Amino acid sequence: EDQVTQSPEALRLQEGESSSLNCSYTVSGLRGLFWYRQDPGKGPEFLFTLYSAGEEKEKERLKATLTKKESFLHITAPKPEDSATYLCAVQAANTGNQFYFGTGTSLTVIP
Amino acid sequence: DAGVTQSPTHLIKTRGQQVTLRCSPISGHKSVSWYQQVLGQGPQFIFQYYEKEERGRGNFPDRFSARQFPNYSSELNVNALLLGDSALYLCASSRAWGANTEAFFGQGTRLTVV
Repeated sequence: EDQVTQSPEALRLQEGESSSLNCSYTVSGLRGLFWYRQDPGKGPEFLFTLYSAGEEKEKERLKATLTKKESFLHITAPKPEDSATYLCAVQAANTGNQFYFGTGTSLTVIP
Repeated sequence: DAGVTQSPTHLIKTRGQQVTLRCSPISGHKSVSWYQQVLGQGPQFIFQYYEKEERGRGNFPDRFSARQFPNYSSELNVNALLLGDSALYLCASSRAWGANTEAFFGQGTRLTVV
């Protein structure tokens, strides 16, 4: 069965304290891995798409990387406004553009 | 361009009632997917439509149904509501169907069943 696991479940950082969020997956034929940010009560906001191992993408303080079994979302010098839940989703070879989501990492950045 | 719009934003229904949720995709996008997100969990796939045809269905009971209209907007219907149907219902819009297609989400409809 396809699985997407995110860790840690929750993360508290001091402002400026860099860290990484993990998304590990066991799907048959990965077609794409997606990172989203979700604020409470809102819909997920698209951040990145990664398609192949070794690929990296950056946006402001965020950098996403992909290996054959996992992806990392690195947060450099976070600010309080980066506080949100970060969701990882994968597309597999035989499921069209259906997304399998992890349960997310809740990030809190303390001023 | 406007993003994905969903209506209503909040809804309270009684057990056994029926509900219809609506979604308008991004202009030019032909695929709409529906997801259910229970508090503290990631979104779970319900349906996917492309060019008005159902292209995928998740593990949800037959009480859940959907359709896509010629203008690519979509409706999700849930019959015989249960308390467990309380969740945030998300609509995602994609330019096309198939892998390697990014999906953009609306703000969701918060459904509470009492």
